[in-house]
Amino acid sequence: EAGVTQSPTHLIKTRGQQVTLRCSPISGHTSVYWYQQALGLGLQFLLWYDEGEERNRGNFPPRFSGRQFPNYSSELNVNALELEDSALYLCASSTSSNQPQHFGDGTRLSIL
Amino acid sequence: SQELEQSPQSLIVQEGKNLTINCTSSKTLYGLYWYKQKYGEGLIFLMMLQKGGEEKSHEKITAKLDEKKQQSSLHITASQPSHAGIYLCGAVLGKRYSGGGADGLTFGKGTHLIIQP
Repeated sequence: EAGVTQSPTHLIKTRGQQVTLRCSPISGHTSVYWYQQALGLGLQFLLWYDEGEERNRGNFPPRFSGRQFPNYSSELNVNALELEDSALYLCASSTSSNQPQHFGDGTRLSIL
Repeated sequence: SQELEQSPQSLIVQEGKNLTINCTSSKTLYGLYWYKQKYGEGLIFLMMLQKGGEEKSHEKITAKLDEKKQQSSLHITASQPSHAGIYLCGAVLGKRYSGGGADGLTFGKGTHLIIQP
């Protein structure tokens, strides 16, 4: 069974640009979560999508947004990139039952 | 202050020795997850604990949940080089764990484990 897949693996952008990260959940999983892991800040919850709807978001500004498609894959969009957005962005998925979240290998975003 | 505090922050252990990592919550803890992360990579799910007093084991790793103390511990017996990495505890804080994927997890800052040969 394929795990959570994320693309691209690495990305380099400059301040002010926009970026889109992609995530494909494990087959059968309807919930997708996005997390940011920045140096020194630890792993922080960004967004949760379930059945195509945004269910909750963490303490991040509106320039962080996303969506979930009918096939349950998801995109994370970040507008007006800032230097502090440099981080590993992790996607996780789970079923709609009482099960743990399974993570992808992440996208490493570097802002110059 | 951190809602999930992990201790110690880092640990250097000689191969073959036992070790314990703790995770303490400042809020009511109904369920807790343990993950392992290799540097710069994704998280590998280890164990999920949902009930007070619950204890689970997988190979040489045992985790326990003490709801009264709002604390979980992860114990590794006879450590091996393959155990090296960052151990993270995560939880949905302040509400009883429910179905539907629950919610985004709050994580501790992690414990860096180094195994010396």
